[in-house]
Amino acid sequence: KQEVTQIPAALSVPEGENLVLNCSFTDSAIYNLQWFRQDPGKGLTSLLLIQSSQREQTSGRLNASLDKSSGRSTLYIAASQPGDSATYLCAVSKETNAGKSTFGDGTTLTVKP
Amino acid sequence: NAGVTQTPKFRILKIGQSMTLQCTQDMNHNYMYWYRQDPGMGLKLIYYSVGAGITDKGEVPNGYNVSRSTTEDFPLRLELAAPSQTSVYFCASRQRTGNTEAFFGQGTRLTVV
Repeated sequence: KQEVTQIPAALSVPEGENLVLNCSFTDSAIYNLQWFRQDPGKGLTSLLLIQSSQREQTSGRLNASLDKSSGRSTLYIAASQPGDSATYLCAVSKETNAGKSTFGDGTTLTVKP
Repeated sequence: NAGVTQTPKFRILKIGQSMTLQCTQDMNHNYMYWYRQDPGMGLKLIYYSVGAGITDKGEVPNGYNVSRSTTEDFPLRLELAAPSQTSVYFCASRQRTGNTEAFFGQGTRLTVV
């Protein structure tokens, strides 16, 4: 059974810092990994999708990497802003499982002005 | 661009009552999913569907039922609501072919009292 772990559970940084969020998974036979952002009381917003054949994906100040063999992904946020404060979730899926996703519990990020 | 639409956004149920959470998507996605999210946790899969007329159980299906009569709609039925079903429910969809991202609705916040 796939298990996804996100460490740390919570992170507080001053504005302007670069930071890394971690996601690890136990079964490396994944099809893709997706990073989401969730604001309090809101739904999930997709940030980046990394396919299993890719090493990284970039969108603006966000960069996600994937090391499938070691079961790890990182989300790098450059020059953090208070507006980045949210919970970040990673999810892995396997195509052979109808694309079902297994989620981590998330990292709650607070960026202080 | 409606994407995935869930109704209602909020609902309070009394123990033993029943209700249906509605989910519809306009992207012609074959795969659809229902997840629940408890406070401070990631999402857990309740049921999923790979196409009209085909549904299957996920990780936490007890107390729920689904149907998929059309590609667009995937309602989730709660029978005999219990306090343990207090949660936020998310519907999602994904293309069947290709390595594509999952799209999520804005969620339904359900409280059972």
